[in-house]
Amino acid sequence: ELKVEQNPLFLSMQEGKNYTIYCNYSTTSDRLYWYRQDPGKSLESLFVLLSNGAVKQEGRLMASLDTKARLSTLHITAAVHDLSATYFCAVDEETSGSRLTFGEGTQLTVNP
Amino acid sequence: DGGITQSPKYLFRKEGQNVTLSCEQNLNHDAMYWYRQDPGQGLRLIYYSQIVNDFQKGDIAEGYSVSREKKESFPLTVTSAQKNPTAFYLCASSIEHTATGNSPLHFGNGTRLTVT
Repeated sequence: ELKVEQNPLFLSMQEGKNYTIYCNYSTTSDRLYWYRQDPGKSLESLFVLLSNGAVKQEGRLMASLDTKARLSTLHITAAVHDLSATYFCAVDEETSGSRLTFGEGTQLTVNP
Repeated sequence: DGGITQSPKYLFRKEGQNVTLSCEQNLNHDAMYWYRQDPGQGLRLIYYSQIVNDFQKGDIAEGYSVSREKKESFPLTVTSAQKNPTAFYLCASSIEHTATGNSPLHFGNGTRLTVT
């Protein structure tokens, strides 16, 4: 059974600071996705990482994938309040071919 | 605009009643999915369908049923057999059944079901 673990689960940080969210998974996969969810809302796709060493950046967020370590990171640079949300990573199970397994989510709060 | 429409946004039911959640997409996606979200547990897959008239159980299918009679529609029925149905339900779709390439899952806005 594929397990996806994120840490930290809760993150409170000040504006202007940097931080990294980690996503570990338990089985072979080279397809990993990051999503953002605002309270009471749906999930918005942020990044699609499809190979070892993949790095994607959008604004203050940068995601990377190390398939050998089974690890993805979401790095936040100079955080702003608008980044406050819950961030999920999700891994595509290669063997099943049709389903994503999600981490528990990291609830990020950026304080002014 | 293309997208996924879930209805209703909020739904209240008495225990013991079946209830059906609607999910419609006009993205021409082949694959559709139902996820359940509980606080602190992320999303868990209930059912998914790769093609019309076919669907597979996810990790927590007990107490739920689905149908896929049309490409655009994938309704979810929460039956009275579901022991703890109160949750936030999210429907999603993707171009391919493997959600590969640059085609991540596209999510609807969700239905919040409360059963008392």
